[in-house]
Amino acid sequence: EDQVTQSPEALRLQEGESSSLNCSYTVSGLRGLFWYRQDPGKGPEFLFTLYSAGEEKEKERLKATLTKKESFLHITAPKPEDSATYLCAVQAPRNTDKLIFGTGTRLQVFP
Amino acid sequence: EPEVTQTPSHQVTQMGQEVILRCVPISNHLYFYWYRQILGQKVEFLVSFYNNEISEKSEIFDDQFSVERPDGSNFTLKIRSTKLEDSAMYFCASGGEGGGYTFGSGTRLTVV
Repeated sequence: EDQVTQSPEALRLQEGESSSLNCSYTVSGLRGLFWYRQDPGKGPEFLFTLYSAGEEKEKERLKATLTKKESFLHITAPKPEDSATYLCAVQAPRNTDKLIFGTGTRLQVFP
Repeated sequence: EPEVTQTPSHQVTQMGQEVILRCVPISNHLYFYWYRQILGQKVEFLVSFYNNEISEKSEIFDDQFSVERPDGSNFTLKIRSTKLEDSAMYFCASGGEGGGYTFGSGTRLTVV
């Protein structure tokens, strides 16, 4: 069964304290791995799509990387406005384009 | 930047009543989706819609649920007879040929 596991569940950082969020996945034939940011009471906001092992993408203080088993979202020198839940999702293979989501990592950045 | 618009933002309904959740996808997108998120749980796929028909649905999407694209711009999710366990955030999403999904801000459905 296709599965996505995110860790840690929650992360508290001091402003400027860099860290990484993990997304482990089990899927036969990954078509794409997505990172989203979700603020309370809002819909997921697209950050990145990664398609193949070794791929990396960056946006401001965020950098996403992908291996054959997991993806990392690295946050460099975070600011309080980076506080949100970060969701990982995989696109299942063949004849389907639905996304399978993990439970997310709730990030809090304190000044 | 184009966005997916959902209305209402919050709907309270009595158990057994019908509800219609509305979405306006991004205008040049071809693929449309509904997902839901029960409080504290994962975002779950409900249904995908392409070329005016359902392309895939999950086990959650039973006979109580239906989707429609009545006028070429709106995309609706109808729940015929709501249950308490239908209480959740419902997200509409749309996607183009190049892949990638844009989600709306959601409708919080509360069944009492």
